[in-house]
Amino acid sequence: GQQLNQSPQSMFIQEGEDVSMNCTSSSIFNTWLWYKQDPGEGPVLLIALYKAGELTSNGRLTAQFGITRKDSFLNISASIPSDVGIYFCAGPGGSQGNLIFGKGTKLSVKP
Amino acid sequence: DTEVTQTPKHLVMGMTNKKSLKCEQHMGHRAMYWYKQKAKKPPELMFVYSYEKLSINESVPSRFSPECPNSSLLNLHLHALQPEDSALYLCASSQVRLAGGELFFGEGSRLTVL
Repeated sequence: GQQLNQSPQSMFIQEGEDVSMNCTSSSIFNTWLWYKQDPGEGPVLLIALYKAGELTSNGRLTAQFGITRKDSFLNISASIPSDVGIYFCAGPGGSQGNLIFGKGTKLSVKP
Repeated sequence: DTEVTQTPKHLVMGMTNKKSLKCEQHMGHRAMYWYKQKAKKPPELMFVYSYEKLSINESVPSRFSPECPNSSLLNLHLHALQPEDSALYLCASSQVRLAGGELFFGEGSRLTVL
């Protein structure tokens, strides 16, 4: 079935650094969602994108809906220890347009 | 705090047991979902309910039986599970079932099958 390619798989960064991750699809999406999941918890919606070229911010997080509609980017500026977790992109690539998830980017932040 | 509440948070059961996972949301959402998540993997869709009717079953084994008693509640009945069914089970809801619509997840129920 449809898959989302998310990279990088993991990142180890120093507190204060900026982070960038991306997600690509083999087909066109009309929605891109970005979630963060802490260990043992459910995913929390960070940003939703609905329009090609759209750039949306949520605090230190900024996400963009790629012009080709086949990719999306998430940037985190000035990372802090609580940014640690797994970040998932998601889009309507499943049967009947249901959400499917990328494999996740595991972020580790050194104080 | 999440507005989707799941109970229990942890469940340990034997292969012959019958147990249930419960999910509740009070956001007025009309679509509810069960996802299964194995360690270090993304969530995978199991079932979708839309206006209290089962609309999608992603070829899930019959030992998992979903139920939607009303628009706020979603249950997952478990019977004769296998150890490989051990996982984090996530409930989610959305306003309606819309392709690419925003899903709001509960904190999950961690299931261990012995």
